[in-house]
Amino acid sequence: KNEVEQSPQNLTAQEGEFITINCSYSVGISALHWLQQHPGGGIVSLFMLSSGKKKHGRLIATINIQEKHSSLHITASHPRDSAVYICAVNQVQGAQKLVFGQGTRLTINP
Amino acid sequence: NAGVTQTPKFQVLKTGQSMTLQCAQDMNHEYMSWYRQDPGMGLRLIHYSVGAGITDQGEVPNGYNVSRSTTEDFPLRLLSAAPSQTSVYFCASSRLLAGTLQYFGPGTRLLVL
Repeated sequence: KNEVEQSPQNLTAQEGEFITINCSYSVGISALHWLQQHPGGGIVSLFMLSSGKKKHGRLIATINIQEKHSSLHITASHPRDSAVYICAVNQVQGAQKLVFGQGTRLTINP
Repeated sequence: NAGVTQTPKFQVLKTGQSMTLQCAQDMNHEYMSWYRQDPGMGLRLIHYSVGAGITDQGEVPNGYNVSRSTTEDFPLRLLSAAPSQTSVYFCASSRLLAGTLQYFGPGTRLLVL
């Protein structure tokens, strides 16, 4: 079993829909990251969380430390949101080393 | 600031050849790392460094070598390329404090024939 699990692996939705991507982890962490990777593109850090909730534009990330679970929400989704979204964690012992989930491939159709 | 840069963007090698993937950052970050990304596998850590002169192995270090002579540069060397090393390679950097944002380079796509 992977230490970081994401669901769903693939998600297709219509423009305007509310999107939720989930991340569960089985290790103690100091922080959790959400990353975005467009097709054929580089990797961009969206959020870094250690507790609570963060919002940037139409993106919202939440984390529940007790349940070892995080969600990434996209409101009013747009085709340009189509990308792979990756969850990664800093383990408590391991400083800046990241452990990655497999990624969720999101496709937003117009 | 250029952020994290990687060269080359794309490379084709023959089995047994050696090469160096370059990575540089201009943010004075102490922590630098190399990952490979393969379909269905997610990103995996190859080697990392917490400062000039200090490197350590990650999850998949075999067949790769690194050095960190300066804060800015963290080259990855393939000693004798194998088809199993066909992958996309990403370099990343961050401050050393745990839980800070990591900045990724644009990636190097490597094909080993």
